Amino acid sequence: AQTVTQSQPEMSVQEAETVTLSCTYDTSESNYYLFWYKQPPSRQMILVIRQEAYKQQNATENRFSVNFQKAAKSFSLKISDSQLGDTAMYFCAFMRAGTYKYIFGTGTRLKVLA
Amino acid sequence: GAVVSQHPSWVICKSGTSVKIECRSLDFQATTMFWYRQFPKQSLMLMATSNEGSKATYEQGVEKDKFLINHASLTLSTLTVTSAHPEDSSFYICSATTPSGRAMSTDTQYFGPGTRLTVL
Repeated sequence: AQTVTQSQPEMSVQEAETVTLSCTYDTSESNYYLFWYKQPPSRQMILVIRQEAYKQQNATENRFSVNFQKAAKSFSLKISDSQLGDTAMYFCAFMRAGTYKYIFGTGTRLKVLA
Repeated sequence: GAVVSQHPSWVICKSGTSVKIECRSLDFQATTMFWYRQFPKQSLMLMATSNEGSKATYEQGVEKDKFLINHASLTLSTLTVTSAHPEDSSFYICSATTPSGRAMSTDTQYFGPGTRLTVL
């Protein structure tokens, strides 16, 4: 069975600074996808970034980038130039290819301070 | 982008009654919808996978007779919590997608805004 672990329940960062959220996972699968989702106070889940396991290049979306270490089964999210609107719960998620099912981590609550 | 709606956004009911939650894909056809449950300050747990025109597939530990799922059309799936009890109080979230069928595909899932259920 696959598991996703987020070891940082809460984090804070000053506005405009950079913060890194950690995520590790465990799987014996070779074909899978990894995701970071943001859940603001509105509770709407928003896709931040995703990574295909077969790609070695780390995914990047504007201020968001990941550090994907496949051998170490690590998938951290870096947020650069943090903004107040980044305040939210962040979930790391795993999906085995072809299943369309997410396995979510327990989340990291990020607060951006003015 | 694609939009998924849920109705109602929140509901309060008495113990023993049934509650129906709707999940609609507004601008695309969703052959597959997923229902999640999220307890306060916890993660999302997949309850079931709903495929249009067929029976839902429930995750281990989820009572299919308590959480009835119907996916009668390509734009609507419903979750009915039967004989609700206070322990069923939670935030219920649906997501929708149209799988392409490609083995390596991870077709985007679009999440609804969630429904908060409180059972008194």
